[in-house]
Amino acid sequence: GENVEQHPSTLSVQEGDSAVIKCTYSDSASNYFPWYKQELGKGPQLIIDIRSNVGEKKDQRIAVTLNKTAKHFSLHITETQPEDSAVYFCAARGKGAGGSYIPTFGRGTSLIVHP
Amino acid sequence: ETGVTQTPRHLVMGMTNKKSLKCEQHLGHNAMYWYKQSAKKPLELMFVYNFKEQTENNSVPSRFSPECPNSSHLFLHLHTLQPEDSALYLCASSQDPLAGTDGSYEQYFGPGTRLTVT
Repeated sequence: GENVEQHPSTLSVQEGDSAVIKCTYSDSASNYFPWYKQELGKGPQLIIDIRSNVGEKKDQRIAVTLNKTAKHFSLHITETQPEDSAVYFCAARGKGAGGSYIPTFGRGTSLIVHP
Repeated sequence: ETGVTQTPRHLVMGMTNKKSLKCEQHLGHNAMYWYKQSAKKPLELMFVYNFKEQTENNSVPSRFSPECPNSSHLFLHLHTLQPEDSALYLCASSQDPLAGTDGSYEQYFGPGTRLTVT
């Protein structure tokens, strides 16, 4: 099955700095790579995603890049703000044993933005 | 508010109790999912239902019993749980888990039920 590795587990930055979180995946058939943000007491919320036929996608201060050959993808947050502090999860969506396309998640990165 | 609600938000139960978790989605999606989230571990997929039919069961112990009466509601029935089952249980929904490279398959998560087994 799919295996997703995510680094770092904790990331501490100053407000205004950039933050980068990296993930690798193992199944070359995976075709969709979402990123989720989870705040305390809430479920994960999708913040950006990228499909396997695209190399880069940007949405305001957030961008995601995908290198299919190397099987890695990254989340970039620029001009970080204290409200960006949360746990971020990457995922790779591949085919489960039952035929459904399901995501496999990384372990998460706790991002702390200091004012 | 993601359109996915879960009740209860918190649950404490003894190992001999029977309880149920409920999830409801108001997004018109076809698929619903149960995940287990434990500290320091990745999100673990437990079950997937597509059009009320279970399509994935990730080797989950039989003390967890899912039920999906329709595409909008999902239950997780719990009985004789162990302390290591204490975790945040998350429900999610999506449009089409069978879609390949096309289609809409973003998942929307509920807030979770924090379960403590004593």
